[in-house]
Amino acid sequence: QSALTQPASVSGSPGQSITISCTGTGSDVGGYNYVSWYQQHPGKAPKLMIYDVTNRPSGVSNRFSGSKSGNTASLTISGLQAEDEADYFCSSYTSRRSTAFGTGTKVTVL
Amino acid sequence: QVQLVQSGSELKKPGASVKVSCKASGYTFTSKAMNWVRQAPGQGLEWMGWINTNTGNPTYVQGFAGRFVFSLDTSVSTAYLQISSLEAEDTAVYYCARDVALAVFDYWGQGTLVTVSS
Repeated sequence: QSALTQPASVSGSPGQSITISCTGTGSDVGGYNYVSWYQQHPGKAPKLMIYDVTNRPSGVSNRFSGSKSGNTASLTISGLQAEDEADYFCSSYTSRRSTAFGTGTKVTVL
Repeated sequence: QVQLVQSGSELKKPGASVKVSCKASGYTFTSKAMNWVRQAPGQGLEWMGWINTNTGNPTYVQGFAGRFVFSLDTSVSTAYLQISSLEAEDTAVYYCARDVALAVFDYWGQGTLVTVSS
């Protein structure tokens, strides 16, 4: 199954806001409000940051927010901090009753 | 608290088999599905499929049917991933992940590195 498309890298200075895009099709991102975002630090397991497009699990900072327009979902990190430097992956439920992950984005804090 | 604890790293020769375990605690094991996710070195996440922890029925993504088998032992709240006829391309970290809703994985195991090398 095809991976969702993310930019390979995004960078920003501390305190800035950055946005990561996740582009799919009408059979996944565009067809369902079941987009999640995961943060992965090197050598660690992924951590759920956003689910169902806009919802934050308990304990996740409100600096992380999600949105969707058409076939593209986005993750915005505001007030960028050094600890936000990590890889980020989106995922979506699909019409094949499967889960597709994004290609991943490396976030660098300058 | 919810925890998924996986078995340790494995080094296997091509053609061998490996069985990775994922022991759950802190919740009713049969109330949530269990998924398996592969991450090759330096690569992204790849969903392999899931197993219904109530019925034991597995679902595999195309490309993971055949050599990859999901199983359970509900008496010890543990899910298993067995890979047979290992190939160098199977070298990866394998994660188990609890499924709380459609494509929402809220808890993950720490990952098990499987290295296939002669």
